[in-house]
Amino acid sequence: DSGVTQTPKHLITATGQRVTLRCSPRSGDLSVYWYQQSLDQGLQFLIQYYNGEERAKGNILERFSAQQFPDLHSELNLSSLELGDSALYFCASAAFLSSYNEQFFGPGTRLTVL
Amino acid sequence: AQTVTQSQPEMSVQEAETVTLSCTYDTSENNYYLFWYKQPPSRQMILVIRQEAYKQQNATENRFSVNFQKAAKSFSLKISDSQLGDTAMYFCAFIDSNYQLIWGAGTKLIIKP
Repeated sequence: DSGVTQTPKHLITATGQRVTLRCSPRSGDLSVYWYQQSLDQGLQFLIQYYNGEERAKGNILERFSAQQFPDLHSELNLSSLELGDSALYFCASAAFLSSYNEQFFGPGTRLTVL
Repeated sequence: AQTVTQSQPEMSVQEAETVTLSCTYDTSENNYYLFWYKQPPSRQMILVIRQEAYKQQNATENRFSVNFQKAAKSFSLKISDSQLGDTAMYFCAFIDSNYQLIWGAGTKLIIKP
């Protein structure tokens, strides 16, 4: 158990819908990262927050948005869902911004868009 | 652009054998960090080992060690005395100056009894 929690574990929805994925980082970790893993592929970095502020953006679609709240939990919002958005979405947390800091991954949320 | 390449989509070895997974990367940066993550069938991402580019000494963690060749931009993972529990996808990753992890496509490792 990494200490990072993600809810829900599974989500099945229809095209055009909007969903919210939630992540609670490890106690004390200030950085939260969001990744997308499509079937049998590596992870794609989406976005990073540090202590409530957006720190870096990767290949995140305009239909997707995220935020980190004062209690440091984070939410990833996916809207106008398409079939291709079906994937495993991981949240990871780290103590600081340092490159050497290990990122601890949550168990992921599996999103299926029908 | 920074990239990470894992040229072995799948590997299979007998239990107790030694296996080496290859990884090459491309970057213009001088200071960076490299990681190997393991993803078992549970899909949980688990850090196996990490290497700081400015350290010449190869990192080791119990049965796991790396062969880091900075000039060749190579970062291979050696698993000694492989165990059934080592069966997983293994991802090589590189962290850039924006603290983003750049991932390879992964190598599926199967340990046979």
